[in-house]
Amino acid sequence: EVVMTQSPATLSVSPGERATLSCRASQSVGSNLAWYQHKPGQAPRLLLSGASTRATGIPPRFSGSGSGTEFTLTISSLQSEDFAVYYCQQYYNWPPLTFGGGTKVEIK
Amino acid sequence: QVQLVESGGGVVQPGGSLRLSCAASGFTFSSYGMHWVRQAPGKGLEWVAFIRYDGSNKYCAVSVKGRFTISRDNSKNTLYLQMNSLRAEDTAVYYCVKDVRWQQPYYFDHWGQGTLVTVSS
Repeated sequence: EVVMTQSPATLSVSPGERATLSCRASQSVGSNLAWYQHKPGQAPRLLLSGASTRATGIPPRFSGSGSGTEFTLTISSLQSEDFAVYYCQQYYNWPPLTFGGGTKVEIK
Repeated sequence: QVQLVESGGGVVQPGGSLRLSCAASGFTFSSYGMHWVRQAPGKGLEWVAFIRYDGSNKYCAVSVKGRFTISRDNSKNTLYLQMNSLRAEDTAVYYCVKDVRWQQPYYFDHWGQGTLVTVSS
């Protein structure tokens, strides 16, 4: 099983600032990585796939990078609606599909 | 637009059974793989099970193997999760999730709102 580790667990950021979230895989997953945003009481939303390709309707302030075992999600200028929990998920080696533990982005 | 509406959640005693349903609309249900993903209270997301577009292949997490069964009825555009021998650790919100592909698990482009399953005596 590929273990996904996200850091930090919580990130405190002021609106307008940049947020950088990390995701590490226990073995290489190539570029087979997706990022999701999850707000309380809502369905999770796909942000990125292929480590860096934005999903339909996702604004360009969300960007992704990395391959192999190290990945980054960057939110260039945080808006109020961006405060949420973010998860990475690998789809290279399955079953199982595996998620990271999540990073909560909160208002500083 | 794509809609996934789960139902069937509730409170059940340890050792009991429950069947979740997911009504799909807004896309060609029979052309996509489908999943169940859960989130225990205060925890992260956990993949539970996948079924191929035609129901011919299924995969599930080790934690539910032998207890949970995923199935689908393409004539009714409905996904199911039969949960038997339920344990307290199965308590979670269960999401019905659409895969972007048809044959093998990949990633998820649409999620339902979830249904809460509580296992408690």
